[in-house]
Amino acid sequence: AQTVTQSQPEMSVQEAETVTLSCTYDTSENNYYLFWYKQPPSRQMILVIRQEAYKQQNATENRFSVNFQKAAKSFSLKISDSQLGDTAMYFCAFMPTTDSWGKLQFGAGTQVVVTP
Amino acid sequence: KAGVTQTPRYLIKTRGQQVTLSCSPISGHRSVSWYQQTPGQGLQFLFEYFSETQRNKGNFPGRFSGRQFSNSRSEMNVSTLELGDSALYLCASSLGQATEKLFFGSGTQLSVL
Repeated sequence: AQTVTQSQPEMSVQEAETVTLSCTYDTSENNYYLFWYKQPPSRQMILVIRQEAYKQQNATENRFSVNFQKAAKSFSLKISDSQLGDTAMYFCAFMPTTDSWGKLQFGAGTQVVVTP
Repeated sequence: KAGVTQTPRYLIKTRGQQVTLSCSPISGHRSVSWYQQTPGQGLQFLFEYFSETQRNKGNFPGRFSGRQFSNSRSEMNVSTLELGDSALYLCASSLGQATEKLFFGSGTQLSVL
């Protein structure tokens, strides 16, 4: 079974600053995908970024980037130039490449608060 | 293109009743997954349907069931409601290939009194 751990319940950051969210996971799988989702007060889960484990290059989506360390089973998210609209709960998630069929394993989440 | 639509947004039921939640996927998506979100247990996978067949299921009791129709719309049913079933129920859709990106709806907030 896989587990996903987010050790930071809440992070606060000022506008335009950078914040890094940590995520570690435990798995015996060799091939898998990792995701970061954000859930704003509207409750809709929005995909922020996806990383394929077999790719060494870290994924980037505009102001969002990850630091993927496969050997350490670590997958952190960096939000640069934080904006008020980034205030949300952020979830790290894991999905193996075999027999996953819609099943994401989520961490407990990190609440990010962006202040003016 | 319209996103994933879940109805109703809010629902209040009493213990022992049953409830049906609906999810309409993004047009062209054939896979629908369901998740339960609670403050205590976080996000937990319920089941996934593709082309009217359940392909995957999580560790929930048989009171939780689902189905998918030929137009890919899905319903989730919970029978004999318990207080602990109070949660946000999210559905997600995708084209159906493994490890594809899942697109979520805004959920149905179920309160069991």
